[in-house]
Amino acid sequence: QSALTQPASVSGSPGQSITISCTGISSDVGGHTYVSWYQHHPGKAPKLMIYEVTYRPSGVPDRFSGSKSGNTASLTISGLQAEDEADYYCTSYTTNRQYVFASGTKVTVL
Amino acid sequence: QVQLVQSGAEVKKSGASVRVSCRASGYTFAAYYMHWVRQAPGQGLEWMGRINPNRGDTKYAEKFEGRVTMTRDTSISTAYMELSSLRSDDTAVYFCAREAYFCGAGSCNDFWGQGTLVTVSS
Repeated sequence: QSALTQPASVSGSPGQSITISCTGISSDVGGHTYVSWYQHHPGKAPKLMIYEVTYRPSGVPDRFSGSKSGNTASLTISGLQAEDEADYYCTSYTTNRQYVFASGTKVTVL
Repeated sequence: QVQLVQSGAEVKKSGASVRVSCRASGYTFAAYYMHWVRQAPGQGLEWMGRINPNRGDTKYAEKFEGRVTMTRDTSISTAYMELSSLRSDDTAVYFCAREAYFCGAGSCNDFWGQGTLVTVSS
């Protein structure tokens, strides 16, 4: 199972909006709504930010939103804040009952 | 509160095996699948597999089939991940992560362990 594809880095100024894409294929991202996003600060445990494409767990700010079109899912951070600087990973369930992560995107707040 | 506490760092020789433990507290251990994910230095996250602590059945990533074994001891609320035939590219931080009840197809994890660094040297 190949990893999903994300841009290596995305940056933005405080208050701006950024979008991170996550591209897969029809047997993973494109095949269902089981796509999640994690925020990962190095040295800490990953934190779930979005599940099933669009849903936010309790406690996640509504500045974080998710969407999907075809084989590409997206995470948008609106009103970017300094504490949003981290690595972000998407992950998807696959049709052969596996789970696949993307390579990750480093978000930099300028 | 939910906590997953992992065993300490390990240094192993190539060809050896390593077993990492993950002790759960604050919830009913047998009621939630446990996943294992790793991150090699400078690399992204990689799913290794999951175990159903209630029945002990497992699902492994194709890449690790034949080399990974996930088990559990429900009497002490602990999950284990054993990786054999270690190679230098198995050097990574290994995480256990509880499957969230609210995610379809077990597709997300709501609580994670602190990570265990496994270093494989030749």
